[in-house]
Amino acid sequence: DVKVTQSSRYLVKRTGEKVFLECVQDMDHENMFWYRQDPGLGLRLIYFSYDVKMKEKGDIPEGYSVSREKKERFSLILESASTNQTSMYLCASSEPRGQETQYFGPGTRLLVL
Amino acid sequence: AQSVTQPDIHITVSEGASLELRCNYSYGATPYLFWYVQSPGQGLQLLLKYFSGDTLVQGIKGFEAEFKRSQSSFNLRKPSVHWSDAAEYFCAVGARGGATNKLIFGTGTLLAVQP
Repeated sequence: DVKVTQSSRYLVKRTGEKVFLECVQDMDHENMFWYRQDPGLGLRLIYFSYDVKMKEKGDIPEGYSVSREKKERFSLILESASTNQTSMYLCASSEPRGQETQYFGPGTRLLVL
Repeated sequence: AQSVTQPDIHITVSEGASLELRCNYSYGATPYLFWYVQSPGQGLQLLLKYFSGDTLVQGIKGFEAEFKRSQSSFNLRKPSVHWSDAAEYFCAVGARGGATNKLIFGTGTLLAVQP
């Protein structure tokens, strides 16, 4: 069965901390994605990766960076967390073709104090 | 640019009643179209998708959606709603011919089911 896991379900951090969100998929997918979900705004793409060490900015990359050293793992990094980064973060993976389904992890709810 | 509109933020239906959730998109050609569902505290699960062929698409959990090119719509329907259908529903579009399969999501419709 398809599986995308995220390292934490809930996370509380302080302003200015460096935060790592980890995502692992077991489907050997090329593409991986990081979204943030906020009420009334739906899902917005932060970054995606189409291969190991390859990444591309999404719609809201400011304040975030990513790392993909291995095919199965895609990390989202908040270099210096701020309160406006309090959100739900969702990771997804898929095959690269346009009609392919994106498979989502359960999400990490991040609170920045 | 692509965009997706879900005009209904919140819908309440009675159990056993029919359901239609609206989705309109803006795209220069026929996009790939998806409906996802998110149960409370969970990630998103694919309900159904359209990429070619028959414009009426069947999905899981008894849902279906119809692609109407003339109306730029991809509305989700279910003939009889169950209490377990209470969730948030997202419509999404993807571009054809690109190197990757990025999606643009709508803002979601929250469905409540009354007993």
